Amino acid sequence: AQSVTQPDIHITVSEGASLELRCNYSYGATPYLFWYVQSPGQGLQLLLKYFSGDTLVQGIKGFEAEFKRSQSSFNLRKPSVHWSDAAEYFCAVGALNVGNNRKLIWGLGTSLAVNP
Amino acid sequence: GAGVSQSPSNKVTEKGKDVELRCDPISGHTALYWYRQSLGQGLEFLIYFQGNSAPDKSGLPSDRFSAERTGGSVSTLTIQRTQQEDSAVYLCASSFRGRGTYNEQFFGPGTRLTVL
Repeated sequence: AQSVTQPDIHITVSEGASLELRCNYSYGATPYLFWYVQSPGQGLQLLLKYFSGDTLVQGIKGFEAEFKRSQSSFNLRKPSVHWSDAAEYFCAVGALNVGNNRKLIWGLGTSLAVNP
Repeated sequence: GAGVSQSPSNKVTEKGKDVELRCDPISGHTALYWYRQSLGQGLEFLIYFQGNSAPDKSGLPSDRFSAERTGGSVSTLTIQRTQQEDSAVYLCASSFRGRGTYNEQFFGPGTRLTVL
């Protein structure tokens, strides 16, 4: 069965430090991978996605993620964190289900706190 | 243009009452999703509508939950005889197209349901 694991429930970094949020997936075929961010009081927003091609994808707000098939990972990175990046981050994998409909399987999220 | 809107933003109800949650997707989006997000949990898929096709109800947790989508636009999620474990944030998302490819899901701000 498809699944997504975000091993870190909560991470705290200092402003200006680099960031890496981990995501591991289990999927029987080439996955479609997504990172979403949920800021306090805001709706979920897509940061970036991987469908095919270049395994290093760039997203909004200076984020990037690298798809590593051999490690079944899609880790999110940012070289220098800003205080406004404090939020909940969700990794998701696209899955096929009944009738060729598609839905996303979500990780439990990583809560990011940023110290000034 | 307007994003996905949901109403009400907050709903407090008593155990055993029925509730209706509304979602207005982005105009022209043919796919609509309902998710549930419980405290400290990831997103739980509930139901998916795509155009005029039969909805994918595989995520509905019990027969107390139902949803409809009228005219291919507005959707209502109904929870009958609410229980305390139904307390959560209910998120709606829409996308341009759900079949054949993955497209970005745009999320509404959610409805926070509290069952006393």
